[in-house]
Amino acid sequence: EVQLVESGGGLVQPGGSLRLSCAASGFTFSDHYMDWVRQAPGKGLEWVGRSRNKANSYTTEYAASVNGRFTISRDASKNSLYLQMNSLRTEDTAVYYCVRIGRDYSDYWGQGTLVTVSS
Amino acid sequence: DIQMTQSPSSLSASVGDRVTITCRASQDISNYLAWFQQKPGKAPKSLIYAASSLQSGVPSKFSGSGSGTDFTLTISSLQPEDFATYYCQQFKSYPLTFGGGTKVEIK
Repeated sequence: EVQLVESGGGLVQPGGSLRLSCAASGFTFSDHYMDWVRQAPGKGLEWVGRSRNKANSYTTEYAASVNGRFTISRDASKNSLYLQMNSLRTEDTAVYYCVRIGRDYSDYWGQGTLVTVSS
Repeated sequence: DIQMTQSPSSLSASVGDRVTITCRASQDISNYLAWFQQKPGKAPKSLIYAASSLQSGVPSKFSGSGSGTDFTLTISSLQPEDFATYYCQQFKSYPLTFGGGTKVEIK
């Protein structure tokens, strides 16, 4: 059974940093692209970024709104995906979802972790 | 960036109704489109990929169609568990973008 479990959310001050983790199980982690998607309170979904699979050297893509501030990485030995978030802004407040990409499209979503950026 | 426009933004329907939601892309995305369902307080669930293919385990009352710039999600007979917000997303080019969502409410 595919499982994605996010952790690491919490309250952080503007300008601060936070690292989110996504523990993956039930599939061959290195074979799959993985995305981060976020949702601000009461708002729609926003794609944050992508980590390609091992065959594509785990290269990354980012939304313009986070490019240069957020970094996606993996630890294949731990079957884990990470989102390092620096220079956080109030507008980064959201639930962050880890998403598996199967057959070029999202297929499994984690339950999400809430990040609140506030002073 | 490719803009995704969903309509309507909300609708009221009764149990048993046939419901259609539209998603329009600002440029040709072929069939690189997916649909998701989200219930309050829950993570989104993947319903359809490649515009018309059902994800494993998704009931056949959901169907998708379209290609190019215009797409539809249809629920053939609305049931109480289908009341939710539905989103489309394009997978043609980066940045991947979502529609604004369609909230399906009980009439």
